Amino acid sequence: EAGVAQSPRYKIIEKRQSVAFWCNPISGHATLYWYQQILGQGPKLLIQFQNNGVVDDSQLPKDRFSAERLKGVDSTLKIQPAKLEDSAVYLCASSQRGHFYNEQFFGPGTRLTVL
Amino acid sequence: TQLLEQSPQFLSIQEGENLTVYCNSSSVFSSLQWYRQEPGEGPVLLVTVVTGGEVKKLKRLTFQFGDARKDSSLHITAAQPGDTGLYLCAGITIKAAGNKLTFGGGTRVLVKP
Repeated sequence: EAGVAQSPRYKIIEKRQSVAFWCNPISGHATLYWYQQILGQGPKLLIQFQNNGVVDDSQLPKDRFSAERLKGVDSTLKIQPAKLEDSAVYLCASSQRGHFYNEQFFGPGTRLTVL
Repeated sequence: TQLLEQSPQFLSIQEGENLTVYCNSSSVFSSLQWYRQEPGEGPVLLVTVVTGGEVKKLKRLTFQFGDARKDSSLHITAAQPGDTGLYLCAGITIKAAGNKLTFGGGTRVLVKP
């Protein structure tokens, strides 16, 4: 079974530029999560989708971050414009709906450096 | 806001030694998970603990959930270099549309040969 795919793996941009990340979850997984992991910290949930609907985006900085999952499968996360403090690893995870203590399967992440 | 604090933040030991990592919360979680993350990869689930006082063993790893379900510990016996990594605890908040994880800050473990 293929795991969660993310691209690109690395991205370097200058502040005020835009960037987009892509995630393809495990086939059949209805729930998709985007996390931000700053160096030395644990992952912080940015947004959670159930199929193509947003379940939780309470910690998403909506003035600059946006995410979509139009067809309920793959997803994109965008930052526009980027700030220095956005430098982090952006992790995508997916899980099966209905699994009580659902295991979230994580992708390898995209490491973003904002100069 | 539910917060999870892990201690220590960093641990460096020699191969063969034992180590314990702690995870503490001011709030009660329905259950708690432990993950290990290696450089350049996403976290991988090690265990889920559900019942207060529960103890689970995974080879040389022993996980314990506090009686009040507000704290947990991970103990590694006779650590090996392959145990090196970032250990993360995560509290689970049950939601109808997919459970929410709240991660601790992580403990970076280095096991030297």
